[in-house]
Amino acid sequence: QKEVEQDPGPLSVPEGAIVSLNCTYSNSAFQYFMWYRQYSRKGPELLMYTYSSGNKEDGRFTAQVDKSSKYISLFIRDSQPSDSATYLCAMRGIYGQNFVFGPGTRLSVLP
Amino acid sequence: ETGVTQSPTHLIKTRGQQVTLRCSSQSGHNTVSWYQQALGQGPQFIFQYYREEENGRGNFPPRFSGLQFPNYSSELNVNALELDDSALYLCASRSGGAFHGYTFGSGTRLTVV
Repeated sequence: QKEVEQDPGPLSVPEGAIVSLNCTYSNSAFQYFMWYRQYSRKGPELLMYTYSSGNKEDGRFTAQVDKSSKYISLFIRDSQPSDSATYLCAMRGIYGQNFVFGPGTRLSVLP
Repeated sequence: ETGVTQSPTHLIKTRGQQVTLRCSSQSGHNTVSWYQQALGQGPQFIFQYYREEENGRGNFPPRFSGLQFPNYSSELNVNALELDDSALYLCASRSGGAFHGYTFGSGTRLTVV
């Protein structure tokens, strides 16, 4: 079992849809949770950052962390074609030097 | 200069050769990490440097080595290249006290033939 699993996709939705992206993990020491967006031929770009459990909202994006279930989610409201990209979840413990990434979910938002 | 810049953007090498990839960190960032991203996969941690010292390493063999310079730029060196080393190599930097994530460069696409 991989340390971080992610819904593999690919996922295609119509413009304006609500998108739900999810990751599960096995390491209970993880405390910092991030979502990155990666466009083709580009490096990952940080979208959302959450510490421990809870929700965080930023514009059309909402990140949720449920540490009891070892499950994190990213919701995108009113999705736009410009949201078409690969979405990577990443996480680390308090003392870890590196982030552990999920394999990514490719999202296509169709006009 | 803002952002993380990497060079070259693309590179083709022959199996058994050696390669050096370069990274210029974002201004003010003293911590740099290197990741390998195979096609269709998430980035895998190679190692991290803080103030010119390696302070973390992932599950990569010793033929993957690095350097960080006093201006916080860095290099990734890979010896005895193998076909499986073909990947996107990402450099990421952050300030030492920032736990909320890295700023990534656009990467170097390495192809080993």
